[in-house]
Amino acid sequence: NAGVTQTPKFRILKIGQSMTLQCTQDMNHNYMYWYRQDPGMGLKLIYYSVGAGITDKGEVPNGYNVSRSTTEDFPLRLELAAPSQTSVYFCATTDIGLGVYEQYFGPGTRLTVT
Amino acid sequence: AQSVTQPDIHITVSEGASLELRCNYSYGATPYLFWYVQSPGQGLQLLLKYFSGDTLVQGIKGFEAEFKRSQSSFNLRKPSVHWSDAAEYFCAVGGTGANNLFFGTGTRLTVIP
Repeated sequence: NAGVTQTPKFRILKIGQSMTLQCTQDMNHNYMYWYRQDPGMGLKLIYYSVGAGITDKGEVPNGYNVSRSTTEDFPLRLELAAPSQTSVYFCATTDIGLGVYEQYFGPGTRLTVT
Repeated sequence: AQSVTQPDIHITVSEGASLELRCNYSYGATPYLFWYVQSPGQGLQLLLKYFSGDTLVQGIKGFEAEFKRSQSSFNLRKPSVHWSDAAEYFCAVGGTGANNLFFGTGTRLTVIP
């Protein structure tokens, strides 16, 4: 079991470029999340999904888009990268339907926008 | 509004000393409480959780936490710290909904020999 995997591990983008952060889980969890972590700020929820085809905004969704076509994958899209999106991005999963409330995290993607 | 406060940004302890990391929360319903640890360059790993029942919960790596409803606190403790415990620690609170897991800003632990 790989758990939650994220690619790439590191990326440098120029302002205005776009990219997709990949997240894949093999835990068969229904719920998936994207967070960003800024120094001294903890984790902020960007988007989440409660199942394939269903997504919703979190606390800081501006500048991002998501899709959920399968249970396993939950990609995060940055369309026009800005310096304010420099951060570490974490994907997480859980399955509240099975009474599993804790979230399981991937190793993160460190993104720098210059 | 839901929130988590970790008042200590950075704590330094000697190896073998005891440790207590503070966490206070604000939550409108019965809270589910978590402590996560993040080693440098890594993702978050669950240390322990509280849902109900015994207010003193045991976790991995010798950590424990005590839920005190009257103080809205969920402090993390370890009786004897090891050098490998140096990391960042996050307290989080959530409920039964899909999206409401709120994290504190973290406490960075340094362990000196």
